[in-house]
Formats: sequence, structure tokens, C-alpha cells
Amino acid sequence: NAGVMQNPRHLVRRRGQEARLRCSPVKGHSHVYWYRQLPEEGLKFMVYLQKENIIDESGMPKERFSAEFPKEGPSILRIQQVVRGDSAAYFCASSRGGESGYTFGSGTRLTVV
Amino acid sequence: RKEVEQDPGPFNVPEGATVAFNCTYSNSASQSFFWYRQDCRKEPKLLMSVYSSGNEDGRFTAQLNRASQYISLLIRDSKLSDSATYLCVVSNAGNMLTFGGGTRLMVKP
Repeated sequence: NAGVMQNPRHLVRRRGQEARLRCSPVKGHSHVYWYRQLPEEGLKFMVYLQKENIIDESGMPKERFSAEFPKEGPSILRIQQVVRGDSAAYFCASSRGGESGYTFGSGTRLTVV
Repeated sequence: RKEVEQDPGPFNVPEGATVAFNCTYSNSASQSFFWYRQDCRKEPKLLMSVYSSGNEDGRFTAQLNRASQYISLLIRDSKLSDSATYLCVVSNAGNMLTFGGGTRLMVKP
């Protein structure tokens, strides 16, 4: 049973391009969380999704960032018109919900040049 | 004030030493508490849950003081492989995790 799969592992984008980060949760997990980690900082919550629903997006920047978790397929974190400050590690985690624990993916390292 | 605060370190200790990390949290409604470990450029991994009654797992002991909103982690007989960043984490209703900035530990031979 594979863990949380994130791809790509590394992504390089030029300023102004779009970045799409994918996350496939653990089989049977219907809750997905995205976190961002800037260099030398802790993880910051971005968004919490269940299948086809955004439950909490209080950590998402108001512009350029969006997330979805469709009925079929992986969760996608989309960043439009990337800027240098978007360079970070983006981690996805999944859970069954309730008080069950999280499983983290290996992250996608985005570099904006 | 940050929701979860930790001393960033680094803590530089010799092998075999005992080291303690502390963490404070601001939301008195926090429900669950954890220590995660993060190695350089890797994802966080759950080290242990933290309970008011204390929780021990081998060389690791975690303690929660709800009245003081304070969490601790004690590592005895440090190993080189313990070198990592230790993240204090709290969970509120909705099962969303809030991470501290992490405390970096370097164990030297």
C-alpha cells in the first residue's frame, strides 16, 4: 500500500509561469492537507480538502493559489503567475479524518527563477 | 504571538547526552499534541503523541502540561542518528495540524 505520492519531486518555473503540484493520498484516505515550508522555517497550513470540497482554505494566499481534490484523481495545488517568493517545499498529507494521524508525502520543491 | 513556539536552536550535544526541548502553544482549545521529526529536505514524520499522563517510547519521553500550555520532549542517551529538526505540533477541532518552527538538534561524536 503506497503512501502519499507527490509529483513532481522538483519543479523549476520561470516567473509568471504556472505551477501544478499533484498529490495522491493513501488509498482509503479521503482527507487531504497542503502545507508550505519556506527555507529555514516551519510548515504552514494552506488548505484542507475532502473529496470535491474545500473544507478550510484559511492558509491560502488570496490570489494566484487554488486547490482541488476531484472525485477521481489526485489533489492539485495550482499556483498561477509564480513569483520568486513562491519558492518553497510544498507538502501534502492525507488522513482518514477524525483523530486519525496524518501521512505526509515527500514534498514538491518548487524553485522559481 | 505564534500559535506554537519553539526555541529554534541549534542544540549541539555530544553522543550519550540527555537533551530536552520545550514548546508552548497559545490556543487553550487545542486537543491533540505531537512531536514530529524532520530530517534535512525530507517530510515530517510522527515521532510520538503527547499526553498529560506522559508518554515514553524507548529513549524518548514526552509530557504535556495543559494548565501551562507547555509540551516537552526529553531524549536520553543521544545517538548521532537523532540529529534532526524536532517539530512541536498541536491539533484543534477539524484535525488540522499547526506546526512550531522546529528545534534543530545536532549530536556530535
